[in-house]
Amino acid sequence: GEDVEQSLFLSVREGDSSVINCTYTDSSSTYLYWYKQEPGAGLQLLTYIFSNMDMKQDQRLTVLLNKKDKHLSLRIADTQTGDSAIYFCAENPRQLTFGSGTQLTVLP
Amino acid sequence: NAGVMQNPRHLVRRRGQEARLRCSPMKGHSHVYWYRQLPEEGLKFMVYLQKENIIDESGMPKERFSAEFPKEGPSILRIQQVVRGDSAAYFCASSPAENQPQHFGDGTRLSIL
Repeated sequence: GEDVEQSLFLSVREGDSSVINCTYTDSSSTYLYWYKQEPGAGLQLLTYIFSNMDMKQDQRLTVLLNKKDKHLSLRIADTQTGDSAIYFCAENPRQLTFGSGTQLTVLP
Repeated sequence: NAGVMQNPRHLVRRRGQEARLRCSPMKGHSHVYWYRQLPEEGLKFMVYLQKENIIDESGMPKERFSAEFPKEGPSILRIQQVVRGDSAAYFCASSPAENQPQHFGDGTRLSIL
């Protein structure tokens, strides 16, 4: 069956790098995604990686994909207070299967 | 901003009433997905529709829930005879084609009294 797992909480200091990890199970996913959810808001598509890629960089965001281990990570460089939110990874053979989300707290 | 539009943002219903949630996809998107987020949980897939067709409803409860995406107008998620356990945030997403990135609306927060 499909299952996406993430750690629930992460705290970092402003200016440090954040690394959010995710494991997934469905190797048929075409893309793997990272979404950001702020309180009371919907999901914002942050970035995504095609399943035949190992890495994708987009400004402060770096996505690493290890297909052998089915491991996905999101690195946020120079983390700011505005990055505080819940981050969801998701896989999709068709519909999205989400992890439970990682609450990122950025400390001043 | 031609993003995914959902309305209402907040909806309050009493037990036994009907709830109708609307979603207009992004311009150019003909694939619509509905997800439910229970408090303190991630999103769970409910149903995937294209214009006038339900493609996958494997995540929909068997009773009281239905969805449509007519030729004209928004997609509608309908919940009949609501119960307290239906209280959740309901999110709609759209994409231009299957397996393409999905963009989300801001959700409808349904509260059942």
